[in-house]
Amino acid sequence: EVQLVESGGGLVQPGGSLRLSCAASGFTFSSYSMNWVRQAPGKGLEWVSYISSSSSTIYYADSVKGRFTISRDNAKNSLYLQMNSLRAEDTAVYYCARAVTEDRHDYGADYWGQGTLVTVSS
Amino acid sequence: DIQLTQSPSFLSASVGDRVTITCRASQGISSYLAWYQQKPGKAPKLLIYAASTLQSGVPSRFSGSGSGTEFTLTISSLQPEDFATYYCQQLNSYPPWTFGPGTKVDIK
Repeated sequence: EVQLVESGGGLVQPGGSLRLSCAASGFTFSSYSMNWVRQAPGKGLEWVSYISSSSSTIYYADSVKGRFTISRDNAKNSLYLQMNSLRAEDTAVYYCARAVTEDRHDYGADYWGQGTLVTVSS
Repeated sequence: DIQLTQSPSFLSASVGDRVTITCRASQGISSYLAWYQQKPGKAPKLLIYAASTLQSGVPSRFSGSGSGTEFTLTISSLQPEDFATYYCQQLNSYPPWTFGPGTKVDIK
């Protein structure tokens, strides 16, 4: 059974840092691209970042570029999101999600974790 | 960046109704569109990808169509478990891979 379990969320002050983790199991993690997607309270979904299976390709949303860093450790079946210079508008549930890839193109995300809440407030 | 709009933003329907949700892209995205269902407090669930490919395990009452800039998600006969919010997402060549604002389907 495919499982994605996020951790690392919590309350942090503006300007602070947090590192989210996503533990993957039930599939060959090293074969899949991965995403982080967030959802502010009562709002819609926002794609945050993408990393290819080998970490050779990485993308960020403009809203987090220069502040967030995505990475992965295929030996540990884990995905990470290092979040620095956090702002109130980064408050959201953060989901890790496995990419659907066919013919080298990504078509969505087929498995999602349960999410971890990040609250940025003084 | 490519923007997505969804219509309607809210719809009220009854069990057994045929429901259609539209997603429009600000520029052509070929068939690089996915549809998700999200229930309160839960993670999104992939329903359709590549505009019309049904994700494994998703009931056949869900279908997707369209290409270019206009796409539709149809639920042929609404079931009680289908009351949720639906999002489209475009995955054109390069990010950001934006989501639409969502359509909430509520019980009439």
